[in-house]
Amino acid sequence: SQTIHQWPATLVQPVGSPLSLECTVEGTSNPNLYWYRQAAGRGLQLLFYSVGIGQISSEVPQNLSASRPQDRQFILSSKKLLLSDSGFYLCAWSGAGGVADTQYFGPGTRLTVL
Amino acid sequence: EDQVTQSPEALRLQEGESSSLNCSYTVSGLRGLFWYRQDPGKGPEFLFTLYSAGEEKEKERLKATLTKKESFLHITAPKPEDSATYLCAVQANSNYQLIWGAGTKLIIKP
Repeated sequence: SQTIHQWPATLVQPVGSPLSLECTVEGTSNPNLYWYRQAAGRGLQLLFYSVGIGQISSEVPQNLSASRPQDRQFILSSKKLLLSDSGFYLCAWSGAGGVADTQYFGPGTRLTVL
Repeated sequence: EDQVTQSPEALRLQEGESSSLNCSYTVSGLRGLFWYRQDPGKGPEFLFTLYSAGEEKEKERLKATLTKKESFLHITAPKPEDSATYLCAVQANSNYQLIWGAGTKLIIKP
């Protein structure tokens, strides 16, 4: 069966510091991978989307970036965090080419920028 | 513009009191509608995918239905462990993205 991991689970960082969040998927090959941010009481906001190694689509211009160095690894980064980057970050995967792309989520990372 | 609206924002029920959550959507060609459950501090857990009007799916005390304009998540004789935020999302034929509603927070009191 497929599993998705995210770490760290929680993170407190000062403004201006760098960020690296990691997501890995097990039990599937060539998944589509997604990074979302969820603000309290609001819907999920898609940040980045990847259909393969090195292929990244950005949905929201901001100071975050994403990379996919391996087939089942997805990394969210920032060189300098802003207060507005605080939130709950979720990684998800879906199978490529499905009738409708059901997405399966990881446990999330709670980021607090102070 | 494609959009999803969930109502109510919050719903408090007594244990055993059945009710329904609503997900209204506007999309140019529906590819799929998704229901998820999210517990506090955790990632969304997939419940159902519905593809066409008239389709229904069930899982334990939950039943999801779909029309051309909305979906309902019916909860029958709920238990306190059903308390969670329920999220709805749609995918259009023309776009890989999921369009998300803000969710309904369901509280079941014993």
